[in-house]
Amino acid sequence: QVQLQESGPGLVKPSETLSLTCTVSGGGFVSTFYWSWIRQPAGKGLEWIGRIYPSGNTNYNPSLRSRVTMSIDTSQNQFSLRLSSVTAADTAMYYCARDVSGSATIDERAFDTWGQGTLVTVSS
Amino acid sequence: DIVMTQSPDSLAVSLGERATINCKSSQSVLYSANSKNYLAWYQQKPGQPPKLLIYWASTRESGVPDRFSGSGSGTDFALTVSSLQAEDVAVYYCLQYYTTPRTFGQGTKVEIK
Repeated sequence: QVQLQESGPGLVKPSETLSLTCTVSGGGFVSTFYWSWIRQPAGKGLEWIGRIYPSGNTNYNPSLRSRVTMSIDTSQNQFSLRLSSVTAADTAMYYCARDVSGSATIDERAFDTWGQGTLVTVSS
Repeated sequence: DIVMTQSPDSLAVSLGERATINCKSSQSVLYSANSKNYLAWYQQKPGQPPKLLIYWASTRESGVPDRFSGSGSGTDFALTVSSLQAEDVAVYYCLQYYTTPRTFGQGTKVEIK
């Protein structure tokens, strides 16, 4: 059973950089999946931030592209998000999720496994 | 970006009755090479991450009760709960994964009447 767990500071100051890590356990960190970050402000909808493939290839949401960097460490079964120059508008629950897309061997099921989420508040 | 629009924003249904949520995409999410619609449905309960219910527009995820069904093709889709149970109270989201950026509908809140 694949499990994802987000970790990182819960409070970030305005203009600083938000850094989060997602650790994958349960044997699911294989080289055929994308790994995504998604966020959700309190009481609002879901916004896809971007994704990374184990090769290091990335796709970012154009709305955030200038501030987003994702990285991956397959030896540690982890992938990470950095969001620079944060403002109060970046306050949200941040989720990591497995993105089952582009596979020729298993059903393409989009975000089939999610972490529990980590709340990040941007405030001085 | 593909814009996903759900309707209604909220609905109240009696226990045991049918609930239907609609989702419309601003462009087709049907991939002609395999005839699959890259549309998924998620259920989110308070304090929990979203849970995958349906993918490829109509394929139920393993373990999801068969009262949940998805339909539609191209740009118009629907999620139906055939007999609403108390545990189905949640916010439901559609997602297109035809292309990046992935985009979600705004959500539909389902309550008991």
